[in-house]
Amino acid sequence: GESVGLHLPTLSVQEGDNSIINCAYSNSASDYFIWYKQESGKGPQFIIDIRSNMDKRQGQRVTVLLNKTVKHLSLQIAATQPGDSAVYFCAENTPPGNQFYFGTGTSLTVIP
Amino acid sequence: EPEVTQTPSHQVTQMGQEVILRCVPISNHLYFYWYRQILGQKVEFLVSFYNNEISEKSEIFDDQFSVERPDGSNFTLKIRSTKLEDSAMYFCASSETTDRVGYTFGSGTRLTVV
Repeated sequence: GESVGLHLPTLSVQEGDNSIINCAYSNSASDYFIWYKQESGKGPQFIIDIRSNMDKRQGQRVTVLLNKTVKHLSLQIAATQPGDSAVYFCAENTPPGNQFYFGTGTSLTVIP
Repeated sequence: EPEVTQTPSHQVTQMGQEVILRCVPISNHLYFYWYRQILGQKVEFLVSFYNNEISEKSEIFDDQFSVERPDGSNFTLKIRSTKLEDSAMYFCASSETTDRVGYTFGSGTRLTVV
């Protein structure tokens, strides 16, 4: 079965610093990955996605890197802000199904 | 921005009772999903639904669970006889195509079984 895990359960950063959240996945057949942000009491909120034919994708202040050789995914947040404090999940999808398998989450705390 | 809407936001029920959780997916989406998240744990897939039938389900989705699209807008999850361990956040999600375009989650229903 699929297995998605995170290296660090908690991460604290100073406001303005860059954050890096890591994720390992085990299914080499997964071809689509999403990073979600979850604030307390809310549902997962899409941040950025990447398909397996890419190794990097950038959004506004966020970058996702995919290393298929070692089955590793990372989320980089530039100039981290207090509003970025949340739990971050990576999720993988393996075709042909449309369901996602989530990692256990990393709690990011931004220190003002 | 289109949203997936879930009601109620919080439901408390007695063990053994039936509950129905409701979702209104994004209007042009064709694929619907239910996930759950036990407090402090990761989000887990329950079931996916397309063309009025279940397309995938996890081992969590046993005979106590059922899903239905009773009309053109609602998508429901029914738990027939709730157990204490069913207490969790339940998230509905929808996507537009098989390519997972626009995969969007609702804000969830917190189910508390007492």
